Amino acid sequence: GEDVEQSLFLSVREGDSSVINCTYTDSSSTYLYWYKQEPGAGLQLLTYIFSNMDMKQDQRLTVLLNKKDKHLSLRIADTQTGDSAIYFCAVGAGANNLFFGTGTRLTVIP
Amino acid sequence: GAVVSQHPSRVICKSGTSVKIECRSLDFQATTMFWYRQFPKQSLMLMATSNEGSKATYEQGVEKDKFLINHASLTLSTLTVTSAHPEDSSFYICSAIPGQGTDTQYFGPGTRLTVL
Repeated sequence: GEDVEQSLFLSVREGDSSVINCTYTDSSSTYLYWYKQEPGAGLQLLTYIFSNMDMKQDQRLTVLLNKKDKHLSLRIADTQTGDSAIYFCAVGAGANNLFFGTGTRLTVIP
Repeated sequence: GAVVSQHPSRVICKSGTSVKIECRSLDFQATTMFWYRQFPKQSLMLMATSNEGSKATYEQGVEKDKFLINHASLTLSTLTVTSAHPEDSSFYICSAIPGQGTDTQYFGPGTRLTVL
């Protein structure tokens, strides 16, 4: 299987940028996703990237992929209190075979 | 688009009873649905992959007879927790892939099961 690692906690001040990191072990992972989970809710797809890409930007979200180091990051610009949630990275060789990280709890301090 | 619903959102039951959780794709047909379990403050654990019209594929360590999965139509999959015990209390989340050639799992809102 695949090991997917994330830091458990991150705190940032409102208005600052947040960077959530994820490392994985299987170099054949071609589908890499970021999901957001608010308390008591399911997972909301935020963004995704394919392994043939280095970067993807979508409004306040920027995903960076370092395939050599098997490192994925999610940057949230101008972080707001509504961004407080748990963020999961998920990677896999296909959409039907994903491995999830432990999740990073982002706390935004007003 | 790509909305997945689950019902119920919360259920409390007595030990020994069975509980059925429904997962529906509201605006698309899902040939493949997934059932996950999430323990408090932990990541998701894939329980089984459900394909319409065929038997579910269970992950290692997941009891097939305890967690019955039925994917009778392209928009509905059900998970039945049989003879539930307190250790089955958890957050159960389903997801679905819209059709062929789509690269994303869309998740339901989850069902919180509490077994007394």
